[in-house]
Amino acid sequence: AQSVTQLGSHVSVSEGALVLLRCNYSSSVPPYLFWYVQYPNQGLQLLLKYTSAATLVKGINGFEAEFKKSETSFHLTKPSAHMSDAAEYFCAVSGDNQGGKLIFGQGTELSVKP
Amino acid sequence: KAGVTQTPRYLIKTRGQQVTLSCSPISGHRSVSWYQQTPGQGLQFLFEYFSETQRNKGNFPGRFSGRQFSNSRSEMNVSTLELGDSALYLCASSLAGTGSGNTIYFGEGSWLTVV
Repeated sequence: AQSVTQLGSHVSVSEGALVLLRCNYSSSVPPYLFWYVQYPNQGLQLLLKYTSAATLVKGINGFEAEFKKSETSFHLTKPSAHMSDAAEYFCAVSGDNQGGKLIFGQGTELSVKP
Repeated sequence: KAGVTQTPRYLIKTRGQQVTLSCSPISGHRSVSWYQQTPGQGLQFLFEYFSETQRNKGNFPGRFSGRQFSNSRSEMNVSTLELGDSALYLCASSLAGTGSGNTIYFGEGSWLTVV
């Protein structure tokens, strides 16, 4: 079985500060891991994904995430927050033979203060 | 390249009615999956279709159904609507599902309100 836990339903940072959104997963098969962002009244946009190649994955808008198998983690970071980063972020896990099924975490709402 | 298109974007239905939502995947994508998003339950997988066959199904009652056509377009239907069915319904498409880490692309969603 697969599951995802996102620590912190709300995270607030100042503009220019480091963004760290935490994601831990559980998977009985080698996982594929994804981070999506959702802006108000919109669908989900893929930020980045891990597919067993490089453990440090770079995505769009300056975000990156590191896969740590020993910690079963896939935390999302960005060195310097922008106001436009305010949104909800979802971590998701899947694997081979899962069809189109993604298991999502509960989401983390990121607020950016000026 | 057009993205995933969902129609209608917003709709209001009465309890007991049924609703059909439509999704056109990205050209060339054969996998279409559906998700329900609510504040309380978050994002939950409904089902996935690949080449007109349901390949995976989430834990939802039989009132929720779907189908996929030969052109990969998909519809989902909810019968005998309940207030708790009010949600954002998201359609997602990919080349062949998440196997090999294929990217799943999402549409803007259909907002369903049941009154």
